[in-house]
Amino acid sequence: ETGVTQSPTHLIKTRGQQVTLRCSSQSGHNTVSWYQQALGQGPQFIFQYYREEENGRGNFPPRFSGLQFPNYSSELNVNALELDDSALYLCASSSKRAGELFFGEGSRLTVL
Amino acid sequence: QKEVEQDPGPLSVPEGAIVSLNCTYSNSAFQYFMWYRQYSRKGPELLMYTYSSGNKEDGRFTAQVDKSSKYISLFIRDSQPSDSATYLCAIDDYGGSQGNLIFGKGTKLSVKP
Repeated sequence: ETGVTQSPTHLIKTRGQQVTLRCSSQSGHNTVSWYQQALGQGPQFIFQYYREEENGRGNFPPRFSGLQFPNYSSELNVNALELDDSALYLCASSSKRAGELFFGEGSRLTVL
Repeated sequence: QKEVEQDPGPLSVPEGAIVSLNCTYSNSAFQYFMWYRQYSRKGPELLMYTYSSGNKEDGRFTAQVDKSSKYISLFIRDSQPSDSATYLCAIDDYGGSQGNLIFGKGTKLSVKP
C-alpha cells in the first residue's frame, strides 16, 4: 500500500508568480485535505476535496484554489504569491474514519 | 483567544523520563481529539485518537481528555531518543467527519540519551 506522495518537495518562487503543488492520495482514500504549515506553527487547514468537489475551506483567500481528479489525486494552486506564502504545504488523505488523516511529507515553498 | 493553545517548548528530558504534553481548547462542543507526531522534515503522523472524555492507552503513550476543563494531555512513559519530535495536538472541527483539523502550535521534544 503506497502512502501519500507530494511533488515537488522543494521549490522557490518570486512574489507575484503562481505555483501548482501535486498530491497522490493513499490507496483507497477518496478525500484529500491541504494544510499550510508556517515555520514554528501547527498546520492550518486550507480546504478539503471529496469526490472532486470542494468540501470545506479554511480562512484562505480565493487565490488558493484546488482540484481533485477522478483517481482522487489533487492539486493546490496559489496565484499572486506573497512572501507570507512561504511554508510547508501538506496534503493528507483519509477514508471514512473520523480524523485519521495520513499526511505526505510536504512541499516546501519559498517565496522571495 | 485561539481555539487550541499549546506550549511550543522546547522540552528536553533524559531518556527514561515520563513526558507530559498538554493543550487547552476554547470550544466545549469539540468531541474528537488527536495527537500527531512530526519528525523533522516529515509530515505529521497520527499517534492517538480520542472521542469525548477519558483516557486511551497505546503502549508507552496515554492520551487524556478532560472536557470539563477543556484540557487534553499526552503522556509518554519510558521516553526514548527516538521519541524526539514535535508533538501536535489536534481537534476535529467537523464533528468527526474527517474534516477540518485545528492544530496547536506543536511542542518540540528532545529526549537525551
